[in-house]
Amino acid sequence: AQKVTQAQTEISVVEKEDVTLDCVYETRDTTYYLFWYKQPPSGELVFLIRRNSFDEQNEISGRYSWNFQKSTSSFNFTITASQVVDSAVYFCALSDATMEYGNKLVFGAGTILRVKS
Amino acid sequence: GAGVSQSPRYKVAKRGQDVALRCDPISGHVSLFWYQQALGQGPEFLTYFQNEAQLDKSGLPSDRFFAERPEGSVSTLKIQRTQQEDSAVYLCASSRGGWGEKLFFGSGTQLSVL
Repeated sequence: AQKVTQAQTEISVVEKEDVTLDCVYETRDTTYYLFWYKQPPSGELVFLIRRNSFDEQNEISGRYSWNFQKSTSSFNFTITASQVVDSAVYFCALSDATMEYGNKLVFGAGTILRVKS
Repeated sequence: GAGVSQSPRYKVAKRGQDVALRCDPISGHVSLFWYQQALGQGPEFLTYFQNEAQLDKSGLPSDRFFAERPEGSVSTLKIQRTQQEDSAVYLCASSRGGWGEKLFFGSGTQLSVL
């Protein structure tokens, strides 16, 4: 069965600090997708990034970066120079890539990030 | 519309009451998902539609839960004889349906059963 573990329940940092959110996943599939979503207080999950299992290149988007390592089944997310607006719950999710399941996502429990000014 | 729209935003029901939650997906999106999110937890899959066909309902917790998407666009999640354990946020998501496509989520319906 697929599983996503986000061991950090809550993280508090001061503005401008760097912060890394951990994600470890389990799957028997050789083909899969990994996602990160942000959930602000409004409740809507906002897509941040998608990575397929064949692409282990790390990615940087502005202050955000992602480190995907198949050897350790991890897909960690780093925010550089955090800002108060980054405060939210962040979810890591795993999807098998078979059409039969239509991209059903399995989510981790989420990490609450609090950035203080 | 511009995004996934869900209504009502909040619903309070008395135990035993039936409720209906509505989801308007992004126009043209083939795939539609319902998720349940308990307080402090990640969303959990309930059911999946491809157009009007319900292809996976393995996550529905009991036969009191029923979902439909009769014309392949708007979807309704119905919960009969609500129980306190049904209290949660119900999230709807849609996607273009392709392999690995990202899901677009609505803001959810927060259901409180008293």
